[in-house]
Amino acid sequence: NAGVTQTPKFRVLKTGQSMTLLCAQDMNHEYMYWYRQDPGMGLRLIHYSVGEGTTAKGEVPDGYNVSRLKKQNFLLGLESAAPSQTSVYFCASEDRRGTDTQYFGPGTRLTVL
Amino acid sequence: GNSVTQMEGPVTLSEEAFLTINCTYTATGYPSLFWYVQYPGEGLQLLLKATKADDKGSNKGFEATYRKETTSFHLEKGSVQVSDSAVYFCALNDPAGGDSSYKLIFGSGTRLLVRP
Repeated sequence: NAGVTQTPKFRVLKTGQSMTLLCAQDMNHEYMYWYRQDPGMGLRLIHYSVGEGTTAKGEVPDGYNVSRLKKQNFLLGLESAAPSQTSVYFCASEDRRGTDTQYFGPGTRLTVL
Repeated sequence: GNSVTQMEGPVTLSEEAFLTINCTYTATGYPSLFWYVQYPGEGLQLLLKATKADDKGSNKGFEATYRKETTSFHLEKGSVQVSDSAVYFCALNDPAGGDSSYKLIFGSGTRLLVRP
């Protein structure tokens, strides 16, 4: 049981490049979330999903797209990276049965030059 | 809107000292409250939670009590260890939209450094 995994762990992009971050969970959780963590700001929600095939915008969705084609995977895409997207990205999942507990992946550190 | 305010760090303590990290919140309704811990180079882990007023969450010697009258959820530990060095985040859950999911609203985090 690996929990929540994220790939890659680190990435450096040039402005304008694109990439996809992968989040996978093996706990059969319905809900999945993408956050970004910036110094002194805690974590902020980018997008989330309440089930396979559904996505919704969070607090800071601009410049990102997501897809949830399979229940266990939640992809975060950057179509044209900007330096303002330099951050640490965390994925989380949650059992829909109201446990109130989100389980986090180890994070992806992204630098955009 | 809902928000969480934490004391700024870093907090530096000697081993076996008493720890308090303050957390206050603003919320409509009755959110659940959480403390998450982030060890260096890792993701966040749930440390403890409380789902209603006067509940006390506890884990690994840490405690926090949901105080509705003072809108607070302060984290305490009677005797810290070097291994407790980490960043601690206070959070509350907030409806994310019209569905039944919740987003976590995080404080800015408090770094704790425990010296031997």
